[in-house]
Amino acid sequence: EEQLVESGGGLVQPGESVTLSCEASKFTFENYAMSWVRQAPGKGLEWVATISGSGDKSDLADSVKGRFTVSRDNSRNTLYLQLNSLRVEDTAIYFCARNWRYYQDFWGQGTLVTVSS
Amino acid sequence: IQMTQSPSTLSASVGDRVTITCRASQSISTWLAWYQHKPGKAPKLLIYKASSLESGVPSRFSGSGSGTEFTLTISSLQPDDFATYYCQHYNRDSKTFGQGTKVEIK
Repeated sequence: EEQLVESGGGLVQPGESVTLSCEASKFTFENYAMSWVRQAPGKGLEWVATISGSGDKSDLADSVKGRFTVSRDNSRNTLYLQLNSLRVEDTAIYFCARNWRYYQDFWGQGTLVTVSS
Repeated sequence: IQMTQSPSTLSASVGDRVTITCRASQSISTWLAWYQHKPGKAPKLLIYKASSLESGVPSRFSGSGSGTEFTLTISSLQPDDFATYYCQHYNRDSKTFGQGTKVEIK
């Protein structure tokens, strides 16, 4: 069965950095664009980033542009999200998701990032 | 483009017919998906292209609409359906979610 497993979340201080990983299995990872979507406490879903299957194109939400970077290593079947200059408002569960024709057809269970001093 | 769902919360009983509405601030054709999300779980795709049922999703779920107004209908609410539901406008440049509708037990 297809699987997406996120890791790397935890407690970080404002201004610090963290890198999230999402390991994919049981599907041909390089054939799919991938996205990150987050959910702040008590809030709804917010799209964060998308990267093409080859990794040559990416797009980020305005709220994180210039601070977050999305990348992937197809040899390791792994998607990454580097979060820099973190703010309290970046506190959220971060989900990775597989894209199919611009919507997300399969999701991981998420990893929690808490930004607090 | 803004996506607005109504209601924000819905109280219903097992067996009820439930309808959730999603409105777009401008026409989005049928570029709309619906997701189900339960706390601590991965969100699940239910409907894409406004009315296409994702493989494996029970037939009691259906979607309709085009342009600016869309609905998700659950024909007979089951215990497993108590969750939060999100609509999403998607295309190459946009992946905007509605604010969510929580379906609670009445």
